[in-house]
Amino acid sequence: ETGVTQSPTHLIKTRGQQVTLRCSSQSGHNTVSWYQQALGQGPQFIFQYYREEENGRGNFPPRFSGLQFPNYSSELNVNALELDDSALYLCASSPVDPGRNTGELFFGEGSRLTVL
Amino acid sequence: RKEVEQDPGPFNVPEGATVAFNCTYSNSASQSFFWYRQDCRKEPKLLMSVYSSGNEDGRFTAQLNRASQYISLLIRDSKLSDSATYLCVGVNYGQNFVFGPGTRLSVLP
Repeated sequence: ETGVTQSPTHLIKTRGQQVTLRCSSQSGHNTVSWYQQALGQGPQFIFQYYREEENGRGNFPPRFSGLQFPNYSSELNVNALELDDSALYLCASSPVDPGRNTGELFFGEGSRLTVL
Repeated sequence: RKEVEQDPGPFNVPEGATVAFNCTYSNSASQSFFWYRQDCRKEPKLLMSVYSSGNEDGRFTAQLNRASQYISLLIRDSKLSDSATYLCVGVNYGQNFVFGPGTRLSVLP
């Protein structure tokens, strides 16, 4: 069984640029969530996708957007990058439909973004 | 005020010690709670669920007090391999997982 994979693992951008991060969910998982984890902090919920639709969003501005594809893989796009966007971006997939929460999120190893 | 709060630590304890972590949450509508473990520069992984009746898994015991909006994790007979950051998580009705900032534990030989 293939776990959650994310790419790229590390990247460096400059202020104002745009970035796309990619995530392949674990086999059989249909729900994907994205989290931002700043150094020394816990993961902060960005949004969740289920059946290719956004299904919940945290307190992040519209320049954070995403997609989910028919194979359940997902992208996180961030426009107009700011210095504070520097963080580890974690993708998590889960095997059940929203409303039947098991509590287990399966995380990828993350994409570490540095904005200069 | 953050929705889930934890003492960031670090907690430095000797091998074999018993250590307890606490977590408080402010959203009384939170449906369920969990402890996740995150090793240095790794992704979080589920450690255990938390129930009002208490939940024990080997050396780990978790407890939820809904009246006080308080969650605890007790680790007995600490091992070097227990060194990690422990994240308290509350799940809201909208399936939004809210993570605390984490408590860092170092178990020393």
